[in-house]
Amino acid sequence: GENVEQHPSTLSVQEGDSAVIKCTYSDSASNYFPWYKQELGKRPQLIIDIRSNVGEKKDQRIAVTLNKTAKHFSLHITETQPEDSAVYFCAAVNNNDMRFGAGTRLTVKP
Amino acid sequence: DAGVTQSPTHLIKTRGQQVTLRCSPKSGHDTVSWYQQALGQGPQFIFQYYEEEERQRGNFPDRFSGHQFPNYSSELNVNALLLGDSALYLCASSWTGSTDTQYFGPGTRLTVL
Repeated sequence: GENVEQHPSTLSVQEGDSAVIKCTYSDSASNYFPWYKQELGKRPQLIIDIRSNVGEKKDQRIAVTLNKTAKHFSLHITETQPEDSAVYFCAAVNNNDMRFGAGTRLTVKP
Repeated sequence: DAGVTQSPTHLIKTRGQQVTLRCSPKSGHDTVSWYQQALGQGPQFIFQYYEEEERQRGNFPDRFSGHQFPNYSSELNVNALLLGDSALYLCASSWTGSTDTQYFGPGTRLTVL
């Protein structure tokens, strides 16, 4: 089955800096890659996603890149703000089966 | 437009008992997926229901079973509870026309003593 690895497990940045989270996946048949943000005690919220026929997608301060050949994808957050502090999960989906990475705890220091 | 809802919010059970968790999908969605999230970990896929049938299943034992009703709502049943079943149980709904995009409910926190 699919195996998703996510790095780093924790990330601390200064407000205004950029943050990058990286994920790799094992199943070349995976074709959809969402990113979720989960604040303490709350549900995971979809923040951005990318499909396998696209290499990059941007939504304001958030962007995601996908390298199908290398089977890795990354989340980029620019101009970070304290409210960006949360746990971020990447996921890879193949045929209705969504597998998550272990998560990255992002702390943005004011 | 109601989002995904789950009940109950919290539940405490003892080992060996059985539990039923409920999920109502977002309006317009017809597919429900269930996940188990242990503390400090990512959600683990349990199974997905569409047209009242289990369409896909993760690596969970048969103690975990489910059901989907004609109104698309769903139940997750866990039999013979173990201490290790303590977790946040999340359901996510999607529309089969865009099955990949899933939206999560608030979850049910299950504690097994």
